[in-house]
Amino acid sequence: GAVVSQHPSWVICKSGTSVKIECRSLDFQATTMFWYRQFPKQSLMLMATSNEGSKATYEQGVEKDKFLINHASLTLSTLTVTSAHPEDSSFYICSARRALNQPQHFGDGTRLSIL
Amino acid sequence: SQQGEEDPQALSIQEGENATMNCSYKTSINNLQWYRQNSGRGLVHLILIRSNEREKHSGRLRVTLDTSKKSSSLLITASRAADTASYFCATGMDTGRRALTFGSGTRLQVQP
Repeated sequence: GAVVSQHPSWVICKSGTSVKIECRSLDFQATTMFWYRQFPKQSLMLMATSNEGSKATYEQGVEKDKFLINHASLTLSTLTVTSAHPEDSSFYICSARRALNQPQHFGDGTRLSIL
Repeated sequence: SQQGEEDPQALSIQEGENATMNCSYKTSINNLQWYRQNSGRGLVHLILIRSNEREKHSGRLRVTLDTSKKSSSLLITASRAADTASYFCATGMDTGRRALTFGSGTRLQVQP
């Protein structure tokens, strides 16, 4: 068990477009979901932490209005990159965790390319 | 901010050899986890070791943790070409809502 599905896996769109990425825990309820960003050959950088039914907690330097996070249920969190620009191009990865002392399970990531 | 630093940054070995990767961290932790990432994919959880444990095994994987030195190592025995990937350590705290803090990763290349 502990499968996390992330969709879409690849997005190419024009500058100014808003893009929504979904993260679903398929076979477990996730009390917390996390959103990370990864640049080529670099590590994962945490963007925000979201708990079901409450506002996301953003890391320093991450624009809340730029990266909208909604965690409507225990199995779904969404990240919307609003008015995306080329500098937003990156690999975005979500993860979900059942409880505090449980491992995080990751989606396969979304490669976002803004032209 | 990055907590873990991994060593080496890149490692190339022959199939059948053992691969050892090291991770150092700075703050107190409750647990340390190792993940594997194939190119362009998400992370796969390999093993979690708690701060009161010193060694843990899972198949061909052996993880050690030395909290006095704030370091951990991941040993992959009898490596296979399919082990080629990036390996990350991540430190966690059980309390609060904090996410994992990832190290910089080791890129492992196993030559067939």
